[in-house]
Amino acid sequence: GAVVSQHPSWVICKSGTSVKIECRSLDFQATTMFWYRQFPKQSLMLMATSNEGSKATYEQGVEKDKFLINHASLTLSTLTVTSAHPEDSSFYICSARGQGLSDTQYFGPGTRLTVL
Amino acid sequence: DAKTTQPPSMDCAEGRAANLPCNHSTISGNEYVYWYRQIHSQGPQYIIHGLKNNETNEMASLIITEDRKSSTLILPHATLRDTAVYYCIVRAYFGNEKLTFGTGTRLTIIP
Repeated sequence: GAVVSQHPSWVICKSGTSVKIECRSLDFQATTMFWYRQFPKQSLMLMATSNEGSKATYEQGVEKDKFLINHASLTLSTLTVTSAHPEDSSFYICSARGQGLSDTQYFGPGTRLTVL
Repeated sequence: DAKTTQPPSMDCAEGRAANLPCNHSTISGNEYVYWYRQIHSQGPQYIIHGLKNNETNEMASLIITEDRKSSTLILPHATLRDTAVYYCIVRAYFGNEKLTFGTGTRLTIIP
């Protein structure tokens, strides 16, 4: 299957700082990328969808000014958590769907964010 | 609205076939059935998908009933590494419809 990578795999930051998470499609061009969040013992919740070169579409209840998403190329999307607070601590997972993949979504390994 | 219903948990003996059921009685004609699994603290892994015919790949088999209202994922020879949460998701094949995750089935493989 197609490979999606995320960096970093885990990050610890102080409250009030911003954190950037990168998501890359390694062997395909991702026309659409998705960002999910998962709290302990819960399922994945979609935060936003982005198409290359377009503004992201956020799910209801997700603050677009707090979770900045950039999908500047067909292989890279970034999620920036601005002014992070302890309640933003979570497992963030990106996913990508692209050309020639039968419209299947592939997921990255996730990034564990801990805000102190 | 939940589009699929899965049992919350199942156990299976190592080496035996694991059969995971999923109900999707409101599935539309243009919606496929996708299966993913999530091993602890990892991102979901794609397993298989299908429309109406049975499908098989190197990981699993997918059996879809003729009326398409339910399906079964079969792991033919379960190993301890198959312990994970398995998600059954219905989604239109093309277009911008998103993958929406339910609570899945927590499959535990017993040595």
